[in-house]
Amino acid sequence: LAKTTQPISMDSYEGQEVNITCSHNNIATNDYITWYQQFPSQGPRFIIQGYKTKVTNEVASLFIPADRKSSTLSLPRVSLSDTAVYYCLVGDRGSGNTPLVFGKGTRLSVIA
Amino acid sequence: DTAVSQTPKYLVTQMGNDKSIKCEQNLGHDTMYWYKQDSKKFLKIMFSYNNKELIINETVPNRFSPKSPDKAHLNLHINSLELGDSAVYFCASSQGGPGELFFGEGSRLTVL
Repeated sequence: LAKTTQPISMDSYEGQEVNITCSHNNIATNDYITWYQQFPSQGPRFIIQGYKTKVTNEVASLFIPADRKSSTLSLPRVSLSDTAVYYCLVGDRGSGNTPLVFGKGTRLSVIA
Repeated sequence: DTAVSQTPKYLVTQMGNDKSIKCEQNLGHDTMYWYKQDSKKFLKIMFSYNNKELIINETVPNRFSPKSPDKAHLNLHINSLELGDSAVYFCASSQGGPGELFFGEGSRLTVL
């Protein structure tokens, strides 16, 4: 399983764009990159998933360079409610035998 | 409608007791999981079931026994509870492989 490394914590002011980078140097050909968000006392929630280049949805953007050894989750204009832990995961999307392994995550604190 | 529901949400019990946590998903998914999140917030896979069959059994004491009566339910039974079992247990489901996991709200187990 590809291991991921991401910053332990980040601080940001409201209204700023936040970029959280995740390293996954040994990502496999079949692996996808998935980001989850977890609020206190809740289960993680899927944010976005991608394989290469750029993926955008109503919540975030995911940038993946050509070598796929890293990825960056971009949250536009964060608000206080975006304060949460963000997990970067790498795994084969089609294999139930290989569960997604959660790392330590990045604790994002948004300040007014 | 709650997609993945767990009961109970809170469970306080004495060491040595046996307890169960139930999980149900109404998403029609064929794969279900149990994750454990300890006090340090590390989220670790415990079990994975696909169509009622055990797929993954990580290094978990055999005091933990999952049971899947049908593909919409995955229950977790814990025998002889120990202090170290105190954690939040999350049930999750996905369609096929772990492309997008849907988590329940968690069951906080406290062993005294």
